[in-house]
Amino acid sequence: NAGVTQTPKFRILKIGQSMTLQCAQDMNHNYMYWYRQDPGMGLKLIYYSVGAGITDKGEVPNGYNVSRSTTEDFPLRLELAAPSQTSVYFCASSYLGPTNTEAFFGQGTRLTVV
Amino acid sequence: AQKVTQAQTEISVVEKEDVTLDCVYETRDTTYYLFWYKQPPSGELVFLIRRNSFDEQNEISGRYSWNFQKSTSSFNFTITASQVVDSAVYFCALSDPNQGGKLIFGQGTELSVKP
Repeated sequence: NAGVTQTPKFRILKIGQSMTLQCAQDMNHNYMYWYRQDPGMGLKLIYYSVGAGITDKGEVPNGYNVSRSTTEDFPLRLELAAPSQTSVYFCASSYLGPTNTEAFFGQGTRLTVV
Repeated sequence: AQKVTQAQTEISVVEKEDVTLDCVYETRDTTYYLFWYKQPPSGELVFLIRRNSFDEQNEISGRYSWNFQKSTSSFNFTITASQVVDSAVYFCALSDPNQGGKLIFGQGTELSVKP
């Protein structure tokens, strides 16, 4: 099992550019999440999904969009990059049901907007 | 509202010292989970432990131990005989499985273990 895979690992964007951060999991988890981590801070939830076709906002959703067309994939879209979106982005997945797992995290994507 | 507070921003110890990382949480829910994650300098998040709100037993895993006290809303983490490899940022987190399992993180404690 690969677990949670994020691509790319690093990216530099210019202000106003767009990009999609990819996230895939192969554990058949129903829940998926996107977090951002700013320097010296804990992680904050951007968006999450409880299953294919269902997404919801987290604490800091502005400037981002998500979609969940399959159980495995949960891409995060930045439409008009701004310097405030410079951060490390983590995707995570978990299984919630009769038995619950902890959240499994990807390796992170370090994004710089200049 | 749910909240996790890690009051210790940075801790520095000398190898072989014991160190305790504090975590205090706030929630009105009766069902919740508490977690500790380790973030080494390489940046990934490593799961250490999960505790549910109905299980107040303390846990020991090698040099690591956790003290969960609902009466004080605390979930503290102790490293015994610290080693240089323990140097990392440690995050405490809270989640409610009835609210999508979203993790609420503390700000993290940066532990530096010097040889």
